[in-house]
Amino acid sequence: QVTLRESGPALVKPTQTLTLTCTFSGFSLSTSGMCVSWIRQPPGKALEWLALIDWDDDKYYSTSLKTRLTISKDTSKNQVVLTMTNMDPVDTATYYCARTRLRYFDYWGQGTLVTVSS
Amino acid sequence: SSELTQDPAVSVALGQTVRITCQGDSLRSYYASWYQQKPGQAPVLVIYGKNNRPSGIPDRFSGSSSGNTASLTITGAQAEDEADYYCNSRDSSGNHPFGGGTKLTVL
Repeated sequence: QVTLRESGPALVKPTQTLTLTCTFSGFSLSTSGMCVSWIRQPPGKALEWLALIDWDDDKYYSTSLKTRLTISKDTSKNQVVLTMTNMDPVDTATYYCARTRLRYFDYWGQGTLVTVSS
Repeated sequence: SSELTQDPAVSVALGQTVRITCQGDSLRSYYASWYQQKPGQAPVLVIYGKNNRPSGIPDRFSGSSSGNTASLTITGAQAEDEADYYCNSRDSSGNHPFGGGTKLTVL
């Protein structure tokens, strides 16, 4: 059974760095073809893909946010970490992690709401 | 361009067929995947690849593609299909942008 769970702070201040952790089970990120992505959704708005890391440690970032994002993995812990620097109120959103295979997201976490406010 | 364009809203009468479309240059090279999202819930994959449904997705959901347009068709829409639907595809740079979403109303 594949599960993913996002964890991190519910509230961050403007200019701070956000660190989110995705803890997963039911698959290994060392298996060829396996990837994990981060996706966010501001309240009432559309989904936005942020970043992806694959089994070979290749990393891909949203063109518009790549200067602020870093994705990494700890295969032994079954975790993927996303950091986003210089947080702003417009970054308020529910952040999801999702298992990614062959360009589609087949399992999603329940998401974690991050509010950016002073 | 990595942008994917969807109609903001579509409606369908109960039991009828509805098509939700997604346009973008990347769709000429890569298949779209489709996600259903109900209020307060995480998105769920409903179609991927040429026309594949994950286990548990009813066969009234189907996908197709032509040129720069991908389509999600629901044949015999049910009340429980009322939701937001998002398309997604990768582009040549490795980005995976989503469309803006289509709100489906079942009348």
